[in-house]
Amino acid sequence: EAGVVQSPRYKIIEKKQPVAFWCNPISGHNTLYWYLQNLGQGPELLIRYENEEAVDDSQLPKDRFSAERLKGVDSTLKIQPAELGDSAVYLCASSSGGQGIYTQYFGPGTRLTVL
Amino acid sequence: AQTVTQSQPEMSVQEAETVTLSCTYDTSESDYYLFWYKQPPSRQMILVIRQEAYKQQNATENRFSVNFQKAAKSFSLKISDSQLGDAAMYFCAYRRLRDNYGQNFVFGPGTRLSVLP
Repeated sequence: EAGVVQSPRYKIIEKKQPVAFWCNPISGHNTLYWYLQNLGQGPELLIRYENEEAVDDSQLPKDRFSAERLKGVDSTLKIQPAELGDSAVYLCASSSGGQGIYTQYFGPGTRLTVL
Repeated sequence: AQTVTQSQPEMSVQEAETVTLSCTYDTSESDYYLFWYKQPPSRQMILVIRQEAYKQQNATENRFSVNFQKAAKSFSLKISDSQLGDAAMYFCAYRRLRDNYGQNFVFGPGTRLSVLP
Protein backbone atom coordinates (compact mmCIF):
# COMPACT_ATOMS: atom_id res chain seq x y z
CA GLU A 1 0.00 0.00 0.00
CA ALA A 2 1.40 3.37 -1.02
CA GLY A 3 1.76 5.95 1.72
CA VAL A 4 0.86 9.61 1.75
CA VAL A 5 2.64 11.38 -1.07
CA GLN A 6 3.63 15.03 -0.96
CA SER A 7 5.36 17.27 -3.43
CA PRO A 8 7.58 19.11 -3.67
CA ARG A 9 9.82 17.95 -0.84
CA TYR A 10 11.65 21.25 -0.69
CA LYS A 11 10.76 24.72 -1.88
CA ILE A 12 12.70 27.96 -1.66
CA ILE A 13 10.96 31.17 -2.66
CA GLU A 14 11.29 34.90 -2.24
CA LYS A 15 8.85 36.61 0.11
CA LYS A 16 5.64 37.83 -1.49
CA GLN A 17 5.76 35.01 -4.03
CA PRO A 18 3.02 32.38 -4.22
CA VAL A 19 3.65 28.73 -3.44
CA ALA A 20 1.57 25.56 -3.61
CA PHE A 21 1.91 22.16 -2.00
CA TRP A 22 0.28 18.98 -3.20
CA CYS A 23 -0.81 15.92 -1.26
CA ASN A 24 -2.13 12.52 -2.33
CA PRO A 25 -3.51 10.58 0.65
CA ILE A 26 -3.58 6.85 1.16
CA SER A 27 -6.18 5.28 -1.06
CA GLY A 28 -9.54 5.04 0.66
CA HIS A 29 -8.73 7.53 3.40
CA ASN A 30 -11.57 9.99 3.70
CA THR A 31 -9.93 12.33 6.19
CA LEU A 32 -7.07 14.56 5.13
CA TYR A 33 -5.11 16.95 7.33
CA TRP A 34 -2.70 19.75 6.62
CA TYR A 35 -0.30 20.65 9.41
CA LEU A 36 2.36 23.25 9.92
CA GLN A 37 5.44 22.17 11.86
CA ASN A 38 8.02 24.64 13.05
CA LEU A 39 11.49 23.42 13.90
CA GLY A 40 11.58 21.45 17.13
CA GLN A 41 7.83 21.65 17.68
CA GLY A 42 4.82 19.44 17.23
CA PRO A 43 2.49 19.65 14.24
CA GLU A 44 -0.23 22.30 14.35
CA LEU A 45 -3.41 21.69 12.42
CA LEU A 46 -4.18 24.08 9.58
CA ILE A 47 -7.18 22.37 8.03
CA ARG A 48 -9.02 19.06 8.10
CA TYR A 49 -11.10 17.62 5.28
CA GLU A 50 -13.75 14.94 5.42
CA ASN A 51 -13.94 13.86 1.79
CA GLU A 52 -14.16 17.16 -0.11
CA GLU A 53 -15.57 19.19 2.77
CA ALA A 54 -13.32 21.37 4.93
CA VAL A 55 -14.77 20.59 8.37
CA ASP A 56 -12.20 22.49 10.42
CA ASP A 57 -10.24 25.42 9.00
CA SER A 58 -10.30 27.56 12.12
CA GLN A 59 -6.49 27.67 12.31
CA LEU A 60 -5.94 28.48 8.64
CA PRO A 61 -4.81 32.10 8.07
CA LYS A 62 -7.37 32.78 5.41
CA ASP A 63 -5.94 36.09 4.32
CA ARG A 64 -3.05 34.31 2.65
CA PHE A 65 -3.64 30.57 2.89
CA SER A 66 -6.13 28.56 0.88
CA ALA A 67 -6.74 24.89 0.38
CA GLU A 68 -8.86 22.66 -1.75
CA ARG A 69 -9.62 18.98 -2.06
CA LEU A 70 -11.46 18.48 -5.28
CA LYS A 71 -13.18 15.12 -5.71
CA GLY A 72 -12.26 14.22 -2.15
CA VAL A 73 -8.87 12.75 -2.98
CA ASP A 74 -5.83 14.93 -3.71
CA SER A 75 -5.43 18.24 -1.94
CA THR A 76 -3.54 21.44 -2.58
CA LEU A 77 -2.46 24.01 0.00
CA LYS A 78 -1.54 27.45 -1.30
CA ILE A 79 0.12 30.48 0.23
CA GLN A 80 -0.14 33.83 -1.50
CA PRO A 81 1.79 35.93 -0.77
CA ALA A 82 4.38 34.09 1.31
CA GLU A 83 5.98 35.81 4.29
CA LEU A 84 9.26 35.12 6.06
CA GLY A 85 7.39 33.61 8.99
CA ASP A 86 5.86 30.96 6.76
CA SER A 87 9.16 29.09 6.62
CA ALA A 88 8.34 25.68 8.11
CA VAL A 89 7.55 22.11 7.20
CA TYR A 90 4.06 21.54 5.85
CA LEU A 91 2.80 18.05 6.62
CA CYS A 92 -0.08 16.23 5.04
CA ALA A 93 -1.70 13.28 6.79
CA SER A 94 -4.66 11.03 6.16
CA SER A 95 -6.74 8.65 8.19
CA SER A 96 -9.67 6.33 7.87
CA GLY A 97 -12.31 5.05 10.23
CA GLY A 98 -12.15 1.61 8.72
CA GLN A 99 -12.32 -1.12 11.39
CA GLY A 100 -12.64 1.58 13.98
CA ILE A 101 -9.02 2.48 13.61
CA TYR A 102 -8.31 6.17 13.28
CA THR A 103 -4.55 6.17 13.06
CA GLN A 104 -3.16 9.11 11.18
CA TYR A 105 -0.49 8.47 8.54
CA PHE A 106 1.88 11.24 7.55
CA GLY A 107 3.58 12.18 4.34
CA PRO A 108 7.24 13.21 4.22
CA GLY A 109 6.37 16.91 4.33
CA THR A 110 7.36 19.92 2.27
CA ARG A 111 10.08 22.08 3.73
CA LEU A 112 9.42 25.70 2.76
CA THR A 113 12.07 28.37 3.01
CA VAL A 114 11.01 31.96 2.41
CA LEU A 115 13.88 34.35 1.72
CA ALA B 1 -10.07 21.96 24.82
CA GLN B 2 -7.77 19.02 25.01
CA THR B 3 -4.08 19.58 25.68
CA VAL B 4 -1.08 17.29 25.59
CA THR B 5 2.03 17.95 27.65
CA GLN B 6 5.46 16.42 27.30
CA SER B 7 7.57 17.74 30.16
CA GLN B 8 10.90 16.41 28.90
CA PRO B 9 12.20 18.49 25.97
CA GLU B 10 15.27 16.25 25.69
CA MET B 11 16.26 12.83 26.92
CA SER B 12 19.26 10.61 26.37
CA VAL B 13 19.82 6.91 26.84
CA GLN B 14 22.73 4.57 26.51
CA GLU B 15 22.49 2.02 23.74
CA ALA B 16 20.83 -1.22 24.95
CA GLU B 17 19.39 0.52 28.00
CA THR B 18 15.76 1.42 28.75
CA VAL B 19 14.24 4.88 28.65
CA THR B 20 10.79 6.21 29.50
CA LEU B 21 9.25 9.26 27.87
CA SER B 22 6.46 11.05 29.72
CA CYS B 23 3.17 12.39 28.42
CA THR B 24 0.18 13.81 30.21
CA TYR B 25 -3.04 15.05 28.71
CA ASP B 26 -6.13 16.90 29.73
CA THR B 27 -9.59 15.90 28.56
CA SER B 28 -13.14 15.59 29.80
CA GLU B 29 -13.87 12.79 27.35
CA SER B 30 -14.05 9.16 28.41
CA ASP B 31 -13.37 7.57 25.04
CA TYR B 32 -10.30 8.50 23.06
CA TYR B 33 -7.12 7.26 21.47
CA LEU B 34 -3.55 8.02 22.42
CA PHE B 35 -0.58 7.71 20.13
CA TRP B 36 3.17 7.94 20.14
CA TYR B 37 4.76 9.10 16.90
CA LYS B 38 8.45 9.07 16.04
CA GLN B 39 10.07 11.62 13.73
CA PRO B 40 13.73 10.92 12.90
CA PRO B 41 15.81 13.90 11.77
CA SER B 42 14.62 15.12 8.39
CA ARG B 43 12.49 12.05 7.98
CA GLN B 44 8.85 11.09 7.96
CA MET B 45 6.72 10.90 11.07
CA ILE B 46 5.70 7.33 11.76
CA LEU B 47 3.40 5.68 14.25
CA VAL B 48 5.12 3.87 17.10
CA ILE B 49 2.22 2.68 19.20
CA ARG B 50 -1.47 3.29 19.79
CA GLN B 51 -3.68 2.87 22.86
CA GLU B 52 -7.46 2.84 23.05
CA ALA B 53 -8.66 4.44 26.28
CA TYR B 54 -11.30 1.76 26.89
CA LYS B 55 -8.64 -0.94 26.99
CA GLN B 56 -7.08 -1.49 30.38
CA GLN B 57 -4.22 -3.54 28.97
CA ASN B 58 -1.19 -1.52 28.03
CA ALA B 59 -0.23 -1.64 24.36
CA THR B 60 3.05 -3.25 23.34
CA GLU B 61 4.90 -3.27 20.04
CA ASN B 62 8.15 -5.21 20.19
CA ARG B 63 10.59 -3.04 22.19
CA PHE B 64 8.02 -0.30 22.70
CA SER B 65 5.39 -0.36 25.43
CA VAL B 66 3.20 2.15 27.17
CA ASN B 67 2.10 2.74 30.72
CA PHE B 68 -1.42 4.08 30.41
CA GLN B 69 -2.88 5.50 33.61
CA LYS B 70 -6.34 6.74 32.68
CA ALA B 71 -7.23 8.24 36.04
CA ALA B 72 -3.97 10.14 36.15
CA LYS B 73 -4.25 11.04 32.44
CA SER B 74 -0.75 9.79 31.90
CA PHE B 75 0.60 7.94 28.87
CA SER B 76 4.31 7.18 29.03
CA LEU B 77 6.38 5.35 26.42
CA LYS B 78 9.03 2.84 27.41
CA ILE B 79 11.72 1.91 24.94
CA SER B 80 13.64 -1.22 25.89
CA ASP B 81 17.03 -2.26 24.50
CA SER B 82 17.49 1.16 22.91
CA GLN B 83 19.09 1.24 19.50
CA LEU B 84 20.86 4.02 17.62
CA GLY B 85 17.95 4.12 15.20
CA ASP B 86 15.62 5.10 18.01
CA ALA B 87 17.14 8.58 18.08
CA ALA B 88 14.35 10.94 17.03
CA MET B 89 11.73 13.38 18.16
CA TYR B 90 8.86 11.59 19.86
CA PHE B 91 5.42 13.13 19.87
CA CYS B 92 2.53 12.13 22.06
CA ALA B 93 -0.88 12.68 20.47
CA TYR B 94 -4.51 12.55 21.54
CA ARG B 95 -7.62 11.97 19.48
CA ARG B 96 -11.08 11.88 20.93
CA LEU B 97 -13.55 9.25 19.80
CA ARG B 98 -16.90 10.91 19.47
CA ASP B 99 -18.23 9.44 16.26
CA ASN B 100 -17.15 7.61 13.18
CA TYR B 101 -15.69 10.62 11.46
CA GLY B 102 -12.16 11.85 11.63
CA GLN B 103 -11.39 14.07 14.54
CA ASN B 104 -8.58 16.47 15.19
CA PHE B 105 -5.42 15.12 16.69
CA VAL B 106 -3.73 17.16 19.40
CA PHE B 107 0.04 16.82 19.58
CA GLY B 108 2.43 17.47 22.40
CA PRO B 109 5.55 19.60 21.90
CA GLY B 110 7.78 16.56 21.56
CA THR B 111 10.76 14.99 23.32
CA ARG B 112 14.09 14.74 21.54
CA LEU B 113 15.70 11.39 22.31
CA SER B 114 19.40 10.86 21.83
CA VAL B 115 20.90 7.38 21.94
CA LEU B 116 24.52 7.23 23.05
CA PRO B 117 26.76 4.45 21.71
